Amino acid sequence: QKEVEQNSGPLSVPEGAIASLNCTYSDRGSQSFFWYRQYSGKSPELIMFIYSNGDKEDGRFTAQLNKASQYVSLLIRDSQPSDSATYLCAEGSGGSNYKLTFGKGTLLTVNP
Amino acid sequence: KAGVTQTPRYLIKTRGQQVTLSCSPISGHRSVSWYQQTPGQGLQFLFEYFSETQRNKGNFPGRFSGRQFSNSRSEMNVSTLELGDSALYLCASSLPDSYEQYFGPGTRLTVT
Repeated sequence: QKEVEQNSGPLSVPEGAIASLNCTYSDRGSQSFFWYRQYSGKSPELIMFIYSNGDKEDGRFTAQLNKASQYVSLLIRDSQPSDSATYLCAEGSGGSNYKLTFGKGTLLTVNP
Repeated sequence: KAGVTQTPRYLIKTRGQQVTLSCSPISGHRSVSWYQQTPGQGLQFLFEYFSETQRNKGNFPGRFSGRQFSNSRSEMNVSTLELGDSALYLCASSLPDSYEQYFGPGTRLTVT
């Protein structure tokens, strides 16, 4: 059974700080990894995807992938109150980008 | 461009009944995936359709089924409803060979 584990929340950071969200996965064969953001009462929206070891930056967001450690993380720099949401880590199962295995999410609160 | 639409948005059914949910993908998207989201289990993959064929399947009982039409619209059906089927059902669509899945607003199903 493929599993994606996320660090238990909730996570609370002050405005302007760096928020660090972590995720481990069990399937060594996984090739693609995704971070989704879900606001309360809304559907998930994709923030970033990563499939190569190392870092990938997009604005205030940086995704990090370490396949040897089976570890994915998301850093949010200069956190804003509007970043307050649940962050979901997902892996593309069985080589498919359309069959995602999600973690249970980490609730992030950014305090003004 | 219109987003993914799901109907109905809310549904209340009784145990033992069956239900059909509908999803219309973004124009041009041919892949449609279905997910179940509950507080306890999080987001779980149900199945994915591409060009009217089920391409991927999750670990749900046979009571859960789906289909896709030639216009890429998709339906999922749950027969013999159980209390545990109460959940938010989300569909997501994507372009061929794209990493990004766009989620619809979901159908909130309550089984009493």
